[in-house]
Amino acid sequence: NAGVMQNPRHLVRRRGQEARLRCSPMKGHSHVYWYRQLPEEGLKFMVYLQKENIIDESGMPKERFSAEFPKEGPSILRIQQVVRGDSAAYFCASSPQGQLALTDTQYFGPGTRLTVL
Amino acid sequence: SQQGEEDPQALSIQEGENATMNCSYKTSINNLQWYRQNSGRGLVHLILIRSNEREKHSGRLRVTLDTSKKSSSLLITASRAADTASYFCATDVSGSGNTGKLIFGQGTTLQVKP
Repeated sequence: NAGVMQNPRHLVRRRGQEARLRCSPMKGHSHVYWYRQLPEEGLKFMVYLQKENIIDESGMPKERFSAEFPKEGPSILRIQQVVRGDSAAYFCASSPQGQLALTDTQYFGPGTRLTVL
Repeated sequence: SQQGEEDPQALSIQEGENATMNCSYKTSINNLQWYRQNSGRGLVHLILIRSNEREKHSGRLRVTLDTSKKSSSLLITASRAADTASYFCATDVSGSGNTGKLIFGQGTTLQVKP
């Protein structure tokens, strides 16, 4: 059973370009979480999605950031018009039950390291 | 301030010694989880302790939870050089509207010298 997969592992963009980060959850998991980690810091929650639904986007910046988890295919985190401050590691996690369970383990992918030049 | 705060921020020990890391939090929780992150890599789930549990063991790991003090500790016994990593606690907060998102502490960087 493959773990959570993220691609690309490393992404370099110039200021003003768009970044698209992909996450494929573990088989059988329909709940996806995105987190951002700045250098030397812990992870910060961004958004929680189920298939075709955004459940909690309280951690998403108001502008330029969007996320989706379509019925088919991976979850996508999209950052438009990137700025240097967007440089970070972006981690995706999946879980089998999400908000349906009081106790649910999240399994993390290897992350995408975004560098904005 | 952070929901999860950890101390120490950095810890350096010799191989074979025990390492203890602490985590404090502010609000009620459903569970508390500990993760390990090797430099430049993803997170590995270590152990989950529910709010109604006080202690849990997994191999060389021992986790305690004191909900009255809103604190948890992670003990790694007989440490090895391969345990060198950053360790994060993460809380799954309780209450209506909770969506299961995790709130992470800043982490403890552990160095185990051979």
